[in-house]
Amino acid sequence: EVQLVQSGAEVKKPGESLKISCKGSGYSFTNYWIGWVRQKPGKGLEWMGIIYPGDSDVRYSPSFQGQVTISADRSLSTAYLQWSSLKASDTAIYYCARPIGSDGTLDLWGQGTLVTVSS
Amino acid sequence: DIQMTQSPSSLSASVGDRVTITCRANYRIDTYLNWYQQKPGKAPKVLIHAASSLQGGVPSRFSGSGYGTDFTLTISSLQPEDSATYYCQQSYSTLMYTFGQGTKLEVK
Repeated sequence: EVQLVQSGAEVKKPGESLKISCKGSGYSFTNYWIGWVRQKPGKGLEWMGIIYPGDSDVRYSPSFQGQVTISADRSLSTAYLQWSSLKASDTAIYYCARPIGSDGTLDLWGQGTLVTVSS
Repeated sequence: DIQMTQSPSSLSASVGDRVTITCRANYRIDTYLNWYQQKPGKAPKVLIHAASSLQGGVPSRFSGSGYGTDFTLTISSLQPEDSATYYCQQSYSTLMYTFGQGTKLEVK
C-alpha cells in the first residue's frame, strides 16, 4: 500500500527542540518530492516547504525560511521537519504530503502530527 | 507570493442543493488549481486537480471549472457526507504552493 506514516503527537516546552518524521512506503521514495503543511488549531492550511529525497534539494516558503529545517534520509525512506527552539505559536498539526505529476496535486498525505508547545 | 482568496468563508445548505465555492488568484495561474476536502480530524483529500479533472474515486457530483484567476468548485446535489472544509491550492508556482483560507460547508 502506498502511504505516508507520520510520527506520533508531541508535547514540548518553549525553547525545546523537536524533529518529527514522515515515512513513505509502497513507492520509490527517492523519486517524489515530499512537502510539509502546517494547520494551526481551527485554521487553514499553510505550505511550509518541500524536499526531494533523491538529492535533498529543499525549498522553503518565505514564511518558514529560517524557522524550521526540512531534511530526509533516503536509506530510511523518511522525511523530517525540525525545530531548534520551539515557540507556543508552533502549536499545530503538521502534515507531510506528496505532489504527483507536473500539476502539483497533493495526492498522498500523512495522517498528521500534532505538536503542542506549552509551558 | 501568489495569494488565493476563497469565498464564502462558510455556508450552510440543504441536502440536494447545488453549492458553488469560488477561488480567486492574484496572478494568472492557467489551470494549476486543485481542490481539497478536509473533514474534522482528517488529512485533506484531493477532489479536483488541474482545475476541472475529477480525482479517481470522487463522486461525480463534484466538479471544477475556471482558468487564469477565477475558479469554482460545484457540488451538484449536496449530500450529508459533504459537510467539510474545502480548500483550493495553486500549483503554478513550482514547488511553492499556496492554499486558500478555506470554506466551511455545513449540510443542514
